[in-house]
Order: sequence, then C-alpha cells, then structure tokens
Amino acid sequence: GAVVSQHPSWVICKSGTSVKIECRSLDFQATTMFWYRQFPKQSLMLMATSNEGSKATYEQGVEKDKFLINHASLTLSTLTVTSAHPEDSSFYICSARAGTTSSDTQYFGPGTRLTVL
Amino acid sequence: DAKTTQPPSMDCAEGRAANLPCNHSTISGNEYVYWYRQIHSQGPQYIIHGLKNNETNEMASLIITEDRKSSTLILPHATLRDTAVYYCIVRRSNTGNQFYFGTGTSLTVIP
Repeated sequence: GAVVSQHPSWVICKSGTSVKIECRSLDFQATTMFWYRQFPKQSLMLMATSNEGSKATYEQGVEKDKFLINHASLTLSTLTVTSAHPEDSSFYICSARAGTTSSDTQYFGPGTRLTVL
Repeated sequence: DAKTTQPPSMDCAEGRAANLPCNHSTISGNEYVYWYRQIHSQGPQYIIHGLKNNETNEMASLIITEDRKSSTLILPHATLRDTAVYYCIVRRSNTGNQFYFGTGTSLTVIP
C-alpha cells in the first residue's frame, strides 16, 4: 500500500514555543491531506482538511491561528502548533488521499507524539 | 459525530476467526464503509472497504448486509498481532470525504 511518513516521530518542547510537524506521501501524490489529534485512550479527532495550494478547512472548535497548516505540494503538508501549551500535548496523525472519488482510500502516517513542558 | 456503532471490546482465541460487527443504519446510498485498525501508539492501518458487495483481501473479509445498515469485518485466523482497536468508518461523500472516527472495538486475541 501507499506510504505516508511523519517527522518528527516525537518532540518535546517548552511552553510558548512553536513546533512544526511534517507529513509526506512517499510514493503517491496526495490531492488531500488530513490532520488528526488523539488524546490518551480516546479516538482520533479530525482537526482539518487541506488541499494542495489552498487554505485548510478546520473542524469546528479547532483554532486555525494556533494550528497552522500548509500544503505547498502534492507530497508535503505541515502542521505548526504555535505558542504550544501543555494542553496541546497529544498524538498528532496525518493522512493522505490519492484520488478524488468517494472510494479512494486514506493512508495514515505513523503519528507524532508532542509533549509540551 | 460518527455514524457508526461498534461494541467497545471483544476477545478472540488465537487461530479462530474474529468477527467484528458495525452498525451504520443511517448510511446513504453512495457512502462507503471503511475499516482501519490502530495498534497502540501507531497510525491507523487500512484494512478494507466496500460499498455494497462483500469484499475480501489478504487481510480480511468485509460482509455488508443487503440493506447496508450493518457490516462485519472478519479476520479469518486471528493472531496475537491482530490485537488492536478496529474502527468502522462511513465516509461522507458530500463534504470532502473526511473520516470521522467513532470509538472503535478493542480486539484482544488470546493465546
């Protein structure tokens, strides 16, 4: 199957700093990428949908000025957590979709564990 | 606001078939059913998806009822490595094809 990578796999940062997480589709071009957040013992929560070259669409309750998403190419999307605080500590997961039809599959990255001190 | 209902947990003996049910009674005619699984601290892994016909691949089989209101994922010979949380997802085809995850089923394969 298609491969999606994330970098870094884990990061620890101080409160108030910004952290950038990269998501890459390695062997296919992703028309759409998605960002999720997962807290311990909870399910994945969709944060935003991004299409290459256009602004991301954020889910209700997700602060777009705090979670900056850039989808500059068909193989790369980045999520920047600005002015991170301890409550932003979570497991961040991206996914990428190759096609545009309703049967096209999403492939998920391995996730990035963010810990804010 | 997931559109699926799954039992929170199930056990299965190693080597036996694991049958994981999912209820999606409000599914629309053009919405696909997807199954993923997540092993602890990893990203979800794609298993299988279908629209109305039963599907089979090297990992599993998907049985969708004729009225499409429910489905069953079948792992034919469960191994310890199949222990994971299994998510049944109905893809929304009219709002950007996002996935909204429910709580899933935590499957434990017992030796």
